[in-house]
Amino acid sequence: EAGVTQFPSHSVIEKGQTVTLRCDPISGHDNLYWYRRVMGKEIKFLLHFVKESKQDESGMPNNRFLAERTGGTYSTLKVQPAELEDSGVYFCASSQGRLNSPLHFGNGTRLTVT
Amino acid sequence: AQSVTQLGSHVSVSEGALVLLRCNYSSSVPPYLFWYVQYPNQGLQLLLKYTTGATLVKGINGFEAEFKKSETSFHLTKPSAHMSDAAEYFCAVSLNSGGYQKVTFGTGTKLQVIP
Repeated sequence: EAGVTQFPSHSVIEKGQTVTLRCDPISGHDNLYWYRRVMGKEIKFLLHFVKESKQDESGMPNNRFLAERTGGTYSTLKVQPAELEDSGVYFCASSQGRLNSPLHFGNGTRLTVT
Repeated sequence: AQSVTQLGSHVSVSEGALVLLRCNYSSSVPPYLFWYVQYPNQGLQLLLKYTTGATLVKGINGFEAEFKKSETSFHLTKPSAHMSDAAEYFCAVSLNSGGYQKVTFGTGTKLQVIP
């Protein structure tokens, strides 16, 4: 089966610009998660979709971040306008089931805001 | 609230030596516990998981971890390190949040294997 894919792998933008990250989960996985890792720190939860609905968005930093999952398939995470502190690696993961299911991760998008 | 503490952001071992990566968790209820590994420029991959039952869990690539409730620990071990084990390792805890799992990760431990 195809794994979780993320695009782009790297993005360098200037402060104030907009960036959209995309994640394609494993087909059939209802759960889609976004995480972020800032340099050297822990991998932090951002939000969780179940199909097209936001199950938990408690980790979203502020209203400059907007996540969508149209039709319950792929997801996008838009940052507008980007700030320096948004730099980091954004991971997407998907899973089947509700509890104790392993997360399948994409390779991440490394975002650098200058 | 749940949290995960990984002791040592960097660990170096000689090839063939024992690997021990430490993880402690805090949780008010019994958690599910995971270890993930990240190789350079890749996403995280599951090494092993503990849900219920046997407290010694075996994973891929010869790794295993033991759940010790009394110590709130879930340390990762491997008897003999290989060069290919050089990677970053993440301990994670999962709790039930509204009927779905919410996974919290530690800060990671980079393992260096010295030839």
